[in-house]
Amino acid sequence: GAVVSQHPSWVICKSGTSVKIECRSLDFQATTMFWYRQFPKQSLMLMATSNEGSKATYEQGVEKDKFLINHASLTLSTLTVTSAHPEDSSFYICSASPGPDNEQFFGPGTRLTVL
Amino acid sequence: GQNIDQPTEMTATEGAIVQINCTYQTSGFNGLFWYQQHAGEAPTFLSYNVLDGLEEKGRFSSFLSRSKGYSYLLLKELQMKDSASYLCAVKNYGQNFVFGPGTRLSVLP
Repeated sequence: GAVVSQHPSWVICKSGTSVKIECRSLDFQATTMFWYRQFPKQSLMLMATSNEGSKATYEQGVEKDKFLINHASLTLSTLTVTSAHPEDSSFYICSASPGPDNEQFFGPGTRLTVL
Repeated sequence: GQNIDQPTEMTATEGAIVQINCTYQTSGFNGLFWYQQHAGEAPTFLSYNVLDGLEEKGRFSSFLSRSKGYSYLLLKELQMKDSASYLCAVKNYGQNFVFGPGTRLSVLP
């Protein structure tokens, strides 16, 4: 149990375009989902926390207008990178949790390359 | 704030035992997690400690001392496939995980 999927696995886009990444909890209801970004040889950096039906909470330094997060249901959260630039190229990982004090289950990640 | 520290890199030989340390400073401690992450993949859960002591799970064990703000992950009978990054993550009550910088372990034949 506790499977989290992400789609797409990898994406290449042109600078200035927008990219949407989906995160789904397949066999449990996720009241909370987290979005992380990881640059090569670095640890995971939390970008934002989203709770179903409410606005996401962004970490300091993360532009909420650039990284749009929607958590419309208990099994789906989306991250949209708007007007992507090469510096946004990174490994984006989502995780989902059944509750605020539960373990996080990670998706397989999405590798974004912006040309 | 929170501060989590781990060694950046470690090297060990196949079949050996290696201990990866993690020190942390936090308030409202509600558990410490260890994750394994292979290059290009998402982290996978290894262990969870919320009380002091040793938790053993096969070849992997994790230890916690809350008074010292210290944990370690012990890997026994190392295998080549254990070459990965090992992430220590601390959770406070009602708050998110904070991940340490990770330790890149290389297992040599």
